[in-house]
Amino acid sequence: DAKTTQPNSMESNEEEPVHLPCNHSTISGTDYIHWYRQLPSQGPEYVIHGLTSNVNNRMASLAIAEDRKSSTLILHRATLRDAAVYYCILRAYGGSQGNLIFGKGTKLSVKP
Amino acid sequence: NAGVTQTPKFQVLKTGQSMTLQCAQDMNHNSMYWYRQDPGMGLRLIYYSASEGTTDKGEVPNGYNVSRLNKREFSLRLESAAPSQTSVYFCASKWMGNTGELFFGEGSRLTVL
Repeated sequence: DAKTTQPNSMESNEEEPVHLPCNHSTISGTDYIHWYRQLPSQGPEYVIHGLTSNVNNRMASLAIAEDRKSSTLILHRATLRDAAVYYCILRAYGGSQGNLIFGKGTKLSVKP
Repeated sequence: NAGVTQTPKFQVLKTGQSMTLQCAQDMNHNSMYWYRQDPGMGLRLIYYSASEGTTDKGEVPNGYNVSRLNKREFSLRLESAAPSQTSVYFCASKWMGNTGELFFGEGSRLTVL
């Protein structure tokens, strides 16, 4: 699977929007973009995924660039509970079931 | 609904001892995974089982064995523990397809002295 690049850390204020960027310049046409997050001392949890179009769910929105070489996870109103490490992962459709590779992610801090 | 359950949650071993980490899921998922996470690092895949009866190596399989006991259970065994295997181990499961979401357990913290 293609590699992703994320900032090591970001800060946000509570109740403000947060935009978490991810670069994936070598993405292929069959790669899905997945986001997971890991709260302190917990296992990762799924946030959202998309292919080409922007996606929304109850947790977040995913904005995908037109050329698909970057994407942004948007938390519309950050809460203290959103403080976590956020992972951006590419997953090839039809690829091996095992290769969902987690990098170091972005550590998001939320200030009250 | 318990989701993915891992046991034990904490374990301390001496070098050379063996142990098995147990994982069970109650979501009728086909695929199951074992990851390890070292301090300040992302997760690395150890082994996975795409379906009952099959297992495959991931990124860091050396020093580990796995057993897919049935559709619900996937165990990870350390035959001769080494300090380098000190880590937090996560089990995960997934329904089917390449876009399905992974569900993770709470983790098992292993220390090898």
